[in-house]
Amino acid sequence: QQQVKQSPQSLIVQKGGISIINCAYENTAFDYFPWYQQFPGKGPALLIAIRPDVSEKKEGRFTISFNKSAKQFSLHIMDSQPGDSATYFCAAKEGGGGNKLTFGTGTQLKVEL
Amino acid sequence: NAGVTQTPKFRVLKTGQSMTLLCAQDMNHEYMYWYRQDPGMGLRLIHYSVGEGTTAKGEVPDGYNVSRLKKQNFLLGLESAAPSQTSVYFCASRWLNYGYTFGSGTRLTVV
Repeated sequence: QQQVKQSPQSLIVQKGGISIINCAYENTAFDYFPWYQQFPGKGPALLIAIRPDVSEKKEGRFTISFNKSAKQFSLHIMDSQPGDSATYFCAAKEGGGGNKLTFGTGTQLKVEL
Repeated sequence: NAGVTQTPKFRVLKTGQSMTLLCAQDMNHEYMYWYRQDPGMGLRLIHYSVGEGTTAKGEVPDGYNVSRLKKQNFLLGLESAAPSQTSVYFCASRWLNYGYTFGSGTRLTVV
């Protein structure tokens, strides 16, 4: 079963627009919610993360919004640029042994000129 | 440069053949992970290790074995490859609670 559900599968945004990617989770034991960015031929790289006791975190053009009661979180990319074109994965970390990350299925973002 | 190095980068196997994927990290990280990435399925955890000499199963461990004899190395083995194991394999080490450093991946095709 998919513990972290991510949508949309793909997204096309015009340069300067806002990109929004959504994720939902079931396991209330998750204690960190990071986002990873992956360019073709590369491994994913940490972009930004949030704890469940915080409703919003912003780093530059990237913002995570977190709704604990709805068990949902989203990534907003403001002023989207062609260089943001990549695959984005939401993830959730289990507390306890292993510190394992469970990933969403990914969103392929294309920012057009 | 510090990071996670995976070898080989590409490999084609015939069904039933065996191989070992090597992951090496030079950051002195305790925790290491093997994931597979398939279209539409994201990254799924195969096995992980919380330190030298330890390994544990992840979400999709069947058909794979691992070893962590040295802290810096984490090996993923396929004893008898199957077409269902065609995938891109990523190794990662943990530097923060939620922060992993990933290698650049091994693209494996089983024919």
